[in-house]
Amino acid sequence: AQSVTQPDIHITVSEGASLELRCNYSYGATPYLFWYVQSPGQGLQLLLKYFSGDTLVQGIKGFEAEFKRSQSSFNLRKPSVHWSDAAEYFCARGSQGNLIFGKGTKLSVKP
Amino acid sequence: DAGVTQSPTHLIKTRGQHVTLRCSPISGHKSVSWYQQVLGQGPQFIFQYYEKEERGRGNFPDRFSARQFPNYSSELNVNALLLGDSALYLCASSLGPLRNIQYFGAGTRLSVL
Repeated sequence: AQSVTQPDIHITVSEGASLELRCNYSYGATPYLFWYVQSPGQGLQLLLKYFSGDTLVQGIKGFEAEFKRSQSSFNLRKPSVHWSDAAEYFCARGSQGNLIFGKGTKLSVKP
Repeated sequence: DAGVTQSPTHLIKTRGQHVTLRCSPISGHKSVSWYQQVLGQGPQFIFQYYEKEERGRGNFPDRFSARQFPNYSSELNVNALLLGDSALYLCASSLGPLRNIQYFGAGTRLSVL
């Protein structure tokens, strides 16, 4: 069965430091991949998506992600984290019209 | 433009009761999907509807049912509630059923006592 793995449950970074959140997807046909962010008590906001083409995709709020087929990965990056980035981040892949989510990575930001 | 709206925001029920959750999609979107998110987990797919037809169903018991109306809004119904049904229920809308971006509402927090 298709799956998405986010190996890091909780990450803490200092404000201004760089960030990389890991995401691996199970083998399958060319996936379409997403990163969503969820603030406490809120729904999911789309950060960026990959359907095809350029493997480095830009999103909102200064985030980017790189699709690497050889590593089955779609890691999320940000060069300089802001305190407002503290939230939970979910990687997802499309499957027959629905989304399969990872378990999420909670990001804490130290002042 | 209004995003995906869900009602109610919060709901408290007791075991054995029935609940109905409602979702209005973004204007122009014809597909609605429902997800269950239990604490500490990612959302899990329950149903997808497109043009009032069920297009997909996740691994949930028959106590869960849904429908989509001619105006593309949707209801999720859960019968015979169990404690384990306590979760955040998310609705997402998209233009169509496949290879489309899903936009999420803020969710309905259901607590079963």
